[in-house]
Amino acid sequence: NAGVTQTPKFQVLKTGQSMTLQCAQDMNHEYMSWYRQDPGMGLRLIHYSVGAGITDQGEVPNGYNVSRSTTEDFPLRLLSAAPSQTSVYFCASSFVVNSPLHFGNGTRLTVT
Amino acid sequence: QQQVKQSPQSLIVQKGGISIINCAYENTAFDYFPWYQQFPGKGPALLIAIRPDVSEKKEGRFTISFNKSAKQFSLHIMDSQPGDSATYFCAASKGGSQGNLIFGKGTKLSVKP
Repeated sequence: NAGVTQTPKFQVLKTGQSMTLQCAQDMNHEYMSWYRQDPGMGLRLIHYSVGAGITDQGEVPNGYNVSRSTTEDFPLRLLSAAPSQTSVYFCASSFVVNSPLHFGNGTRLTVT
Repeated sequence: QQQVKQSPQSLIVQKGGISIINCAYENTAFDYFPWYQQFPGKGPALLIAIRPDVSEKKEGRFTISFNKSAKQFSLHIMDSQPGDSATYFCAASKGGSQGNLIFGKGTKLSVKP
């Protein structure tokens, strides 16, 4: 039981490049979410999903896309990276919304 | 607007002392109040959580105190240890399909030996 797995752990992008941050969970959780963590800002919700085929925007969705084709996977796409997207990104899952969240160990992204 | 306000930003406590971190919320629809602990290079991990039907919950050295009328809740760490040095986040959510967790900005705790 690996929990929530995020890849890659580190990534450097140039402005304008695109990439996908991967997130997978093996706990059969219905709810999955993406947060970004910036110094002094806490954790801010980017996008979330309450089940396969269902996604919605969080507090800071601009510049990010998500999809949820399976229960296990919830990738986060940056279509055209900007320096403002330099951050640590965390994927999290739980059985249902409003229940204990399990976090991955994060992806540290730098956009130059 | 900041829906969950956490203080202090940083805290230094001597080994064996009591660490206290406070949070205040605005939305009276919130009904779930967890605390998360994060070590450097790791994701946050659930430490302890409370629902508003109780005023206090204790798990080992960690206690949540909840004041519904004041819309405040706090984390107390008794007999603080150097291994407790981490960043702590309070959070809140409401029920239903919009019950995403909203986090405070975090408190960096350092416990000095």
